[in-house]
Amino acid sequence: DIQMTQSPSTLSASVGDRVTITCRASQSISSWLAWYQQKPGKAPKLLIYKASSLESGVPSRFSGSGSGTEFTLTISSLQPDDFATYYCQQYNSYSPATFGPGTKVDIK
Amino acid sequence: EVQLVESGGGLVQPGRSLRLSCAASGFTFDDYAMHWVRQAPGKGLEWVSGISWNSGSIGYADSVKGRFTISRDNAKNSLYLQMNSLRAEDTALYYCAKASSRFMTPLFQHWGQGTLVTVSS
Repeated sequence: DIQMTQSPSTLSASVGDRVTITCRASQSISSWLAWYQQKPGKAPKLLIYKASSLESGVPSRFSGSGSGTEFTLTISSLQPDDFATYYCQQYNSYSPATFGPGTKVDIK
Repeated sequence: EVQLVESGGGLVQPGRSLRLSCAASGFTFDDYAMHWVRQAPGKGLEWVSGISWNSGSIGYADSVKGRFTISRDNAKNSLYLQMNSLRAEDTALYYCAKASSRFMTPLFQHWGQGTLVTVSS
């Protein structure tokens, strides 16, 4: 199976900060990469798919980039509603879907 | 509005069985593949199983292969997960998730709120 890693595991930031989370795959997944946001006690929410496509209804301050094995999620100006845990997930059709371990974004 | 409502979770002894259900509404159920994803308490997300729109394609994580069976009833807009030979490590919140297309591609566009399965003696 394809292994996913994320860094950092925890990120402390302030409202208005630019935040970047990195996700790496153990082998090339082209652009088959999604990002999800999860708040405590809630289900995950799809933010980004195909590495850089914004899901409908997701604020434009969220963006994704990368291909192959290295990807980033950027929040251009952190808002109070953005404090949450973020997961990357690969969905290469030739391998079971796997998630990264998550990055918790909390208040500095 | 897409709604996915899971049910059937609970406390079960190791080795026993449990059947989860997911009732779907707000979209044309038989136009989409469906999946189960689980999350152990305080841990990350793990894909469990998926099924295509017509049940023609099915997949399982290695951790549940041979023990869990996914199925769907398009006439009832429902997804199921039959879980046999349960182990302590199956303890988790089980989410039903709607895929982005008819096919098995595991991109999870919508999620239910989950049903908790606890395996313990």
